[in-house]
Amino acid sequence: KAGVTQTPRYLIKTRGQQVTLSCSPISGHRSVSWYQQTPGQGLQFLFEYFSETQRNKGNFPGRFSGRQFSNSRSEMNVSTLELGDSALYLCASSPGTSGSSYNEQFFGPGTRLTVL
Amino acid sequence: SQELEQSPQSLIVQEGKNLTINCTSSKTLYGLYWYKQKYGEGLIFLMMLQKGGEEKSHEKITAKLDEKKQQSSLHITASQPSHAGIYLCGASRAGTYKYIFGTGTRLKVLA
Repeated sequence: KAGVTQTPRYLIKTRGQQVTLSCSPISGHRSVSWYQQTPGQGLQFLFEYFSETQRNKGNFPGRFSGRQFSNSRSEMNVSTLELGDSALYLCASSPGTSGSSYNEQFFGPGTRLTVL
Repeated sequence: SQELEQSPQSLIVQEGKNLTINCTSSKTLYGLYWYKQKYGEGLIFLMMLQKGGEEKSHEKITAKLDEKKQQSSLHITASQPSHAGIYLCGASRAGTYKYIFGTGTRLKVLA
């Protein structure tokens, strides 16, 4: 089975721009979670989607949004970029069986976003 | 403050030495995961622990979850340079689909 893929791997943007990141989960997985990783804050949960619905959301401003398509692929959008948004953005997929909290997450390689 | 505290934050050991990394929570954990991350890359799943007192091993890495399910330890026996990286513990809570992660432990193994 192919692993989790994320595109693009690297991205450079300037303040005020917006960006869209993409994540393709493992075939058959219905849950996709997004994380932001920075040296100062570590790995922070952004949101999780299951069957095209956002099931949970972390403590990030509304500039961060996401969606999931019927094929489980997910996109994350950040509008009005700020310098502090520079980070490694990771997505993870899991079977996400409804009602289960124990699902192992498989992570993609991440997208390195640099905001100038 | 972090919901999952890891210690130590960084560790430098000589090849062949044993080491232990700890992950502590103030709340009961439902599902504790250990991951390894190479700098700037994605996380590689190592082990998942669910039951109090559970212990799992894979090659030279052993992870344990205490009976109260509030603390986990990761032990590496006879460390090798290939063990170097950042080790992260993660946890999920019953009733939510939100995962939290520890602060990470950066391990360097000197050859």
